Amino acid sequence: QVQLQQSGPELVKPGALVKISCKASGYTFTSYDINWVKQRPGQGLEWIGWIYPGDGSTKYNEKFKGKATLTADKSSSTAYMQLSSLTSENSAVYFCARSSTGFDYWGQGTTLTVSS
Amino acid sequence: DIQMTQTTSSLSASLGDRVTISCRASQDISNYLNWYQQKPDGTVKLLIYYTSRLHSGVPSRFSGSGSGTDYSLTISNLEQEDIATYFCQQGNTLWTFGGGTKLEIK
Repeated sequence: QVQLQQSGPELVKPGALVKISCKASGYTFTSYDINWVKQRPGQGLEWIGWIYPGDGSTKYNEKFKGKATLTADKSSSTAYMQLSSLTSENSAVYFCARSSTGFDYWGQGTTLTVSS
Repeated sequence: DIQMTQTTSSLSASLGDRVTISCRASQDISNYLNWYQQKPDGTVKLLIYYTSRLHSGVPSRFSGSGSGTDYSLTISNLEQEDIATYFCQQGNTLWTFGGGTKLEIK
């Protein structure tokens, strides 16, 4: 069965960078986009961008250009999102999700806390 | 950018009720409208894609309809396990989510 397993919670200092992972299993990793979504506490969902692991192509929400960098490792079927120059505004839960007909499978979410 | 609006942020209903949640797009999205359920533990699942198509494994009490800019999700015969927040999402141009509608039991 399709599964997306994300890395654990992160506590990082302001100004630092962090890299969150999303390991896929149960399907052909290179055939579907992986999307990343942000959710601040008590807030809605915000689409950050997608990566197509087949060729590494990416598309970003304009709001997250320069903040998020999406990569994928075909050998380990793992997608990554790096967030840089972190501030308290980046504290949130981050989800990865496969897109097919909509976002049909989601990871469990990774909680990022930015605090000194 | 396409904006998605769910005007009802929270909704209270009784078990067995028929519940309708609405979503409006800022422009015609040609039925590229999906619905998601987020449970209190944070897990997110796709319920409906392309306005009215039920995702695999989703109970038939969930249904979707709409066109142009206006869409809705209906839950017939509300069950306890349906307590969650529901988000719409447009996929006509990139991806944008609505703000969510939290469904509670009366």
